[in-house]
Amino acid sequence: QSVLTQPPSVSAAPGQKVTISCSGSSSNIGNNYVSWYQQLPGTAPKLLIYDNNKRPSGIPDRFSGSKSGTSATLGITGLQTGDEADYYCGTWDSSLSASNWVFGGGTKLTVL
Amino acid sequence: QMQLVQSGAEVKKTGSSVKVSCKASGYTFTYRYLHWVRQAPGQALEWMGWITPFNGNTNYAQKFQDRVTITRDRSMSTAYMELSSLRSEDTAMYYCARSDVFGELIYWGQGTLVTVSS
Repeated sequence: QSVLTQPPSVSAAPGQKVTISCSGSSSNIGNNYVSWYQQLPGTAPKLLIYDNNKRPSGIPDRFSGSKSGTSATLGITGLQTGDEADYYCGTWDSSLSASNWVFGGGTKLTVL
Repeated sequence: QMQLVQSGAEVKKTGSSVKVSCKASGYTFTYRYLHWVRQAPGQALEWMGWITPFNGNTNYAQKFQDRVTITRDRSMSTAYMELSSLRSEDTAMYYCARSDVFGELIYWGQGTLVTVSS
């Protein structure tokens, strides 16, 4: 199982808002920046959020990120059918002698 | 613009090795970590390891420690991931990805499908 815990799936209607949680520990989320990735079917992942809550150029402000303690949350407002994808959180984990990167198990978003 | 271009799909026999390349362009190759991430069919992203192109330092996920080797050729701006003792469970899409200031994986290669069969 993954070091970071995400719900396997979430769903909401078009136009609605959804949040995806990512739970970790002090060795990863608690002391490192969290990033989020969107993976549309059949494509490579794309960076959605970095530094907990910043959006790369070109990412609409419908997408937001936050972090509190050892958990992080991705929020998506004004859901569109094109948002249907798998979403992953990621961060460094420093529990071993050298830093490893870790991902959550991924959350499948369905826009009903 | 910044690009990571990976080598083409591979079909390998059980027990053999595979070497996937990742050619970088549009930025200074030695600037940031390069990671390798894999994704088995229908499964989550799985981090395999990173390399610092500047000096070749590496760090591998414990799961792959004894089977993976990540190298780079600075003159070619290319990183390589070699996985040995292949088994059917290694059938997956393999991605390279470049990190940025806060560690986020900002640029991704297009992926290389590795199929392992007997």
